[in-house]
This record gives sequence, structure tokens and C-alpha cells, in this order.
Amino acid sequence: ETGVTQSPTHLIKTRGQQVTLRCSSQSGHNTVSWYQQALGQGPQFIFQYYREEENGRGNFPPRFSGLQFPNYSSELNVNALELDDSALYLCASSFPTQGCSYNEQFFGPGTRLTVL
Amino acid sequence: AQTVTQSQPEMSVQEAETVTLSCTYDTSENNYYLFWYKQPPSRQMILVIRQEAYKQQNATENRFSVNFQKAAKSFSLKISDSQLGDTAMYFCAFMTNTGNQFYFGTGTSLTVIP
Repeated sequence: ETGVTQSPTHLIKTRGQQVTLRCSSQSGHNTVSWYQQALGQGPQFIFQYYREEENGRGNFPPRFSGLQFPNYSSELNVNALELDDSALYLCASSFPTQGCSYNEQFFGPGTRLTVL
Repeated sequence: AQTVTQSQPEMSVQEAETVTLSCTYDTSENNYYLFWYKQPPSRQMILVIRQEAYKQQNATENRFSVNFQKAAKSFSLKISDSQLGDTAMYFCAFMTNTGNQFYFGTGTSLTVIP
């Protein structure tokens, strides 16, 4: 069973640019969540995708957008990068189980984004 | 709104000793889940232990156990027989029963000293 993978590992961009981060969910998982973890902080929820549809969004501006593909992999896109977007971006995948309100989320190793 | 507070930014413990990490949370929900995650330098978040709010019995996982005080909204993690591999950031997290997102605290950096 393949775990959650993310690419790239590290990325450096300049202010105003656009970036795309990628996440491959664990085998059999149809739900992907994205989190932003600024230095010295806990992860903050960006949004979740379930079966290719957005299924909840945190307090992030519209320049943070995402996609989920039929194979359940996902992308996080950030437009008009700002210095404060520098962070570790984590994705987590899960598979909703009928009758179970909690579904364990498995995290990837993250992408470290630096905005100069 | 849900909030999670970890008041200990850094802690250290001697190898083989016991350490307790603190966490408090605030919510108006009655049914929810609480978690402790470990984030080693490799950055991958690893689930350490989970507690369902409706369960009075404290969760245990080998050397890890929690002290869950629902009325006080407190959820501490006890690590017994600390090992060098326990060195990591530890995050307390909360999820509502009907929600789909974690609310994380700011983390506690634990160092196990040989």
C-alpha cells in the first residue's frame, strides 16, 4: 500500500508568482485535505476535496484554489504569491467509512514553499 | 469556533523518564474527537493517539496515554519510558463529530536527552 506523497519537496518562488503543489492520496482514499503550516505554528485547514468536489474550506482567500482528479490525486494552486505564503503545505487523505463519523487522515511529508 | 491551546512551546525529558504534554481546547460541541500527532524532522505527521469525547475511559497506546478531562476541556499526553525516537514536535488536535477538518494547537517541541 502506497502512502500519501507530495511533490515537489521544496520550492522557491518570488512574490506575485503562481505555484502548483501536488498530492497523491493513499491507495483507496477518495478524500484529500490541504493544510498550511507556517513556521512555529500548527497546521491550518485550507480546504478538502471529496470525489472531485470541494467539501469544506477554511479561512483562506480565493487565490488559494484546488482540484481533485478522477484518480483522487489533488493539486493546490496559489496565485499572486505573498511573502506570508511561505510555509509547509501538508495534504492528508482519508476514506469515509459508512456509519463512522471519524475517518483517519494520513498525512504526506509536505512541500516547503519559500516566497522571496 | 474551536480553539486548541498548547502552553508549553518546548520541553525536555531524560531517556526512560516520563513526560506530560498539556493541551486545552474550547468548543461548544458535545461530540468530538481529540488527537495527539507527532511531527519528527522528516515533517510527516504521525497519529500518536486518539480519544472520542463520548468515552470516559482514557485512551492508551503502548507507552502513550492521555488524561482526558471533558469538563475542564483538558487533554494531556503522557509518554512513559521516553525514547530518543520520541524527539519531535507534538501537536494536539480537535475535530468535531460532524466536521471534516482538524484544529491544531501550536505544538510542543519535545527533546529526549540521552
